Amino acid sequence: GAVVSQHPSWVICKSGTSVKIECRSLDFQATTMFWYRQFPKQSLMLMATSNEGSKATYEQGVEKDKFLINHASLTLSTLTVTSAHPEDSSFYICSAEGQLVVAYGYTFGSGTRLTVV
Amino acid sequence: RKEVEQDPGPFNVPEGATVAFNCTYSNSASQSFFWYRQDCRKEPKLLMSVYSSGNEDGRFTAQLNRASQYISLLIRDSKLSDSATYLCVVNPYGQNFVFGPGTRLSVLP
Repeated sequence: GAVVSQHPSWVICKSGTSVKIECRSLDFQATTMFWYRQFPKQSLMLMATSNEGSKATYEQGVEKDKFLINHASLTLSTLTVTSAHPEDSSFYICSAEGQLVVAYGYTFGSGTRLTVV
Repeated sequence: RKEVEQDPGPFNVPEGATVAFNCTYSNSASQSFFWYRQDCRKEPKLLMSVYSSGNEDGRFTAQLNRASQYISLLIRDSKLSDSATYLCVVNPYGQNFVFGPGTRLSVLP
């Protein structure tokens, strides 16, 4: 089945530094990938839609200059949290859209738990 | 009105109980429906797709009522390992998936 690999699983960084999170589709090509954020006891919130070879589409309220998304190939999208602050601490999850998404839904990466100190 | 709404929960049930989750969606053009399960501090995982005719997978039964824009998930003979948050997911035609807020289930020994 479709597998999405997300790395790193967890990261602790100092306030003001940047963190890059990678999302790879391992056995399928994903023209579209999605980045979500989830705070404790809250639902997944879509941050942006990443399209291969073009600019990402950000949801309202998400700062595109703070959350940089690059989707340079059909199997890799990256999210960079720039100048991270403690309020950016959250669980970040990516998902990828494969050809059978209508039948089987999205495949999610295992998530990255970011803690900014 | 939110696009996808679910029972607020949490549901605390004893082992062996039958529990039902409800979900409603607002976009009548929605074409695909899913139930996902999310364990604490983990990513959501697909539990089952929901078909118009209803479908069953072991102890899990999903139903779809397009006229009422309503989806349900029934879990029979619940196990301790069923404890998780259950997410209703709707795919409006031509749009991204929309996640419900989730309903947390705790199965108690």
